[in-house]
Amino acid sequence: NAGVMQNPRHLVRRRGQEARLRCSPMKGHSHVYWYRQLPEEGLKFMVYLQKENIIDESGMPKERFSAEFPKEGPSILRIQQVVRGDSAAYFCASSLTADKFDGYTFGSGTRLTVV
Amino acid sequence: KQEVTQIPAALSVPEGENLVLNCSFTDSAIYNLQWFRQDPGKGLTSLLLIQSSQREQTSGRLNASLDKSSGRSTLYIAASQPGDSATYLCAVRPSGNNRLAFGKGNQVVVIP
Repeated sequence: NAGVMQNPRHLVRRRGQEARLRCSPMKGHSHVYWYRQLPEEGLKFMVYLQKENIIDESGMPKERFSAEFPKEGPSILRIQQVVRGDSAAYFCASSLTADKFDGYTFGSGTRLTVV
Repeated sequence: KQEVTQIPAALSVPEGENLVLNCSFTDSAIYNLQWFRQDPGKGLTSLLLIQSSQREQTSGRLNASLDKSSGRSTLYIAASQPGDSATYLCAVRPSGNNRLAFGKGNQVVVIP
């Protein structure tokens, strides 16, 4: 019974390249959340998705960032034209429902380094 | 906007002492509060989930209390062990949305 799976664990990109981060939720979970943890900062909400739908992207930067959760396959967080300030740990979480009683299960994260 | 503060930011205790970690939040309109553990370079492990209607939750040596009206939660770890060394994160789920608000964490070192 695998938990939330994120890959890659570590990703190095040069400035201007694209970064694609993948997240497979826990089996049976259809709600996915992305968070970013900058050095010395707390985790910040980015986006909440259900299958094929973006529910809440209020924490996502308006430019260069996008997210999707297709009908088949993992959720993808895509960062275009990366800059040094994008270096951070990106965590994905999933929940069974959107019910207020549900807790979230987090993955191990992808650590992005922009050089 | 929900603000979550964790005090102290860092602490060191000798093995066997009880740990007391504090979390405060500014808006008492919450669905639940969740405590996580994060090891260096690793992901988050859920420790305890307390619903807004609950006062406390217990799991083994861990006990978390919630005082929603005053905006406080405390995580107690009894008889600390070196393996408890980690950063402990408090996260609040505000009423009406799915956006967890996190504190910056309590970084704990248990000295053998």
